[in-house]
Amino acid sequence: GNSVTQMEGPVTLSEEAFLTINCTYTATGYPSLFWYVQYPGEGLQLLLKATKADDKGSNKGFEATYRKETTSFHLEKGSVQVSDSAVYFCALTNQAGTALIFGKGTTLSVSS
Amino acid sequence: KAGVTQTPRYLIKTRGQQVTLSCSPISGHRSVSWYQQTPGQGLQFLFEYFSETQRNKGNFPGRFSGRQFSNSRSEMNVSTLELGDSALYLCASSLSQQRGTQYFGPGTRLTVL
Repeated sequence: GNSVTQMEGPVTLSEEAFLTINCTYTATGYPSLFWYVQYPGEGLQLLLKATKADDKGSNKGFEATYRKETTSFHLEKGSVQVSDSAVYFCALTNQAGTALIFGKGTTLSVSS
Repeated sequence: KAGVTQTPRYLIKTRGQQVTLSCSPISGHRSVSWYQQTPGQGLQFLFEYFSETQRNKGNFPGRFSGRQFSNSRSEMNVSTLELGDSALYLCASSLSQQRGTQYFGPGTRLTVL
């Protein structure tokens, strides 16, 4: 079945540093890909998504490109802020398109 | 629009008891999914309901069940609670034609003692 692997955390950065969180997937067919973010004590929020190869999802300065040739969907941000500190989850739809399969999550901590 | 709401936010139960969690989706969303989040297993899909019918089910024992009402509100029930059921239970809603794009509630934190 479909699965996703994302880099282990925690990731610790200084404010204004460049961020990359790696995510690779295994899938049958053409899943949609997502990044969700979870702030402390809250549920998950959709950060961005891409539904087909070469699509770039973007939101709040974060970007990720659906790379079919490398089966990757890496999350990037050019200049992180303290308020970006959270847990980031890479996800894809299952084979039937009826549920989300999540990675283990990567904790990002940004200090000023 | 109001977001997904879940009640209660926190619950403490003892082993052997049962519990019911509630979820109200975003207005107009007819699909409701439930997920369990634990430090060890991460986020795992429990089941999905659409138009009062369970449309998809994850790999959980039969102690975990749910239902959906005509107004799309959903409840999840766990019977004969075990210590390992302690988790954050998240509800998510979506438009039926965009099932991958899900909007999550804040979750219910269940602690089993």
